[in-house]
Amino acid sequence: AQSVTQLDSQVPVFEEAPVELRCNYSSSVSVYLFWYVQYPNQGLQLLLKYLSGSTLVKGINGFEAEFNKSQTSFHLRKPSVHISDTAEYFCAVSERGNTPLVFGKGTRLSVIA
Amino acid sequence: DTAVSQTPKYLVTQMGNDKSIKCEQNLGHDTMYWYKQDSKKFLKIMFSYNNKELIINETVPNRFSPKSPDKAHLNLHINSLELGDSAVYFCASSQDLGQSNYGYTFGSGTRLTVV
Repeated sequence: AQSVTQLDSQVPVFEEAPVELRCNYSSSVSVYLFWYVQYPNQGLQLLLKYLSGSTLVKGINGFEAEFNKSQTSFHLRKPSVHISDTAEYFCAVSERGNTPLVFGKGTRLSVIA
Repeated sequence: DTAVSQTPKYLVTQMGNDKSIKCEQNLGHDTMYWYKQDSKKFLKIMFSYNNKELIINETVPNRFSPKSPDKAHLNLHINSLELGDSAVYFCASSQDLGQSNYGYTFGSGTRLTVV
């Protein structure tokens, strides 16, 4: 069965600085990978997804992620964060799209003015 | 129009009570899910329904009973509520079972507090 590990539970970063949120997955088959964002007291919103093809995927709000099969990673990056990016970020995996999404435990991104 | 709507948004109730949470999606999706988010923000799938049929039932106490009257609705009924049931419950939908590659659309959650 697939699993997801988000290595950092909290990441504080100053406004306009770059950020990387780390995600590693475990699966014996091909996977689809996702990043979701949860703003306070709201549901989850899809940021970006990797299905196949180019390993660098771009999402909304200036975020991007790179799929690295050899390292089984799918790290999320943004070159310059804003206060409004403060939220909880979840990495998720689905095996070949045929299983429900399994989520990591989330990373709390706090952007400091 | 909200794509996936849940009611109520907040629910405070006493131990031992029975309560229901409703979910409706207007996206024409075939598959719906219930996830539980605990106090540490961990999201875990509880149930999955495809076209009104139960597909996945994770290790969830049988006090939890999902019901899908049609493919646009998936309700969650909880009997004999316990303190440990306090959490945020999210409903989600996807195009169909094999289409999770498009991602899910989530509702805004129901915060259940058992006192």
